[in-house]
Amino acid sequence: QKEVEQDPGPLSVPEGAIVSLNCTYSNSAFQYFMWYRQYSRKGPELLMYTYSSGNKEDGRFTAQVDKSSKYISLFIRDSQPSDSATYLCAMSEAGGTSYGKLTFGQGTILTVHP
Amino acid sequence: SAVISQKPSRDICQRGTSLTIQCQVDSQVTMMFWYRQQPGQSLTLIATANQGSEATYESGFVIDKFPISRPNLTFSTLTVSNMSPEDSSIYLCSVQRLGEQYFGPGTRLTVT
Repeated sequence: QKEVEQDPGPLSVPEGAIVSLNCTYSNSAFQYFMWYRQYSRKGPELLMYTYSSGNKEDGRFTAQVDKSSKYISLFIRDSQPSDSATYLCAMSEAGGTSYGKLTFGQGTILTVHP
Repeated sequence: SAVISQKPSRDICQRGTSLTIQCQVDSQVTMMFWYRQQPGQSLTLIATANQGSEATYESGFVIDKFPISRPNLTFSTLTVSNMSPEDSSIYLCSVQRLGEQYFGPGTRLTVT
């Protein structure tokens, strides 16, 4: 069993839809949770960074962490064609000023069509 | 954020040869990381490179196959040695700054 499981999709939605991306994990020591966006032929770009359980909102993006269920989500409101990319979840046991090795999900390919 | 550049951006290499990938960061960082992203797979950490010390390799990766140099606080190289088609992948350099981790654009390697 992989430490982090992410549905690879692909996921195709119309413009304006609400998108829900999810990851589950098995390592209860994970404390820091991240979402990265990766456009084709580019490196991953950090979107959201959260610590422990709860919600964090940034514009059209909301990251949700439920440590009791070992489940994290990224919601994209009013999705745009420019949101079309691969979304990767990542997590680590340590963070902040201490380096924590990142464990990534497989990535979900999202296409938002006009 | 951090500005990270990598060279080359892509290359096609023959089996049995070696390729050295360069990573340059816009300011000094203590730790630099090398990841591999195989087609359809998640990113996997190869090794962590600290300036002035030997790199630390993850399980499944060895120094003879992936030697790393870290001559100063803004630069690192990863060499993929004695390449085989299974080494075809994207290789990414990464740094941590203020608790957040940033990635370079990647080097797309194809081994024929």
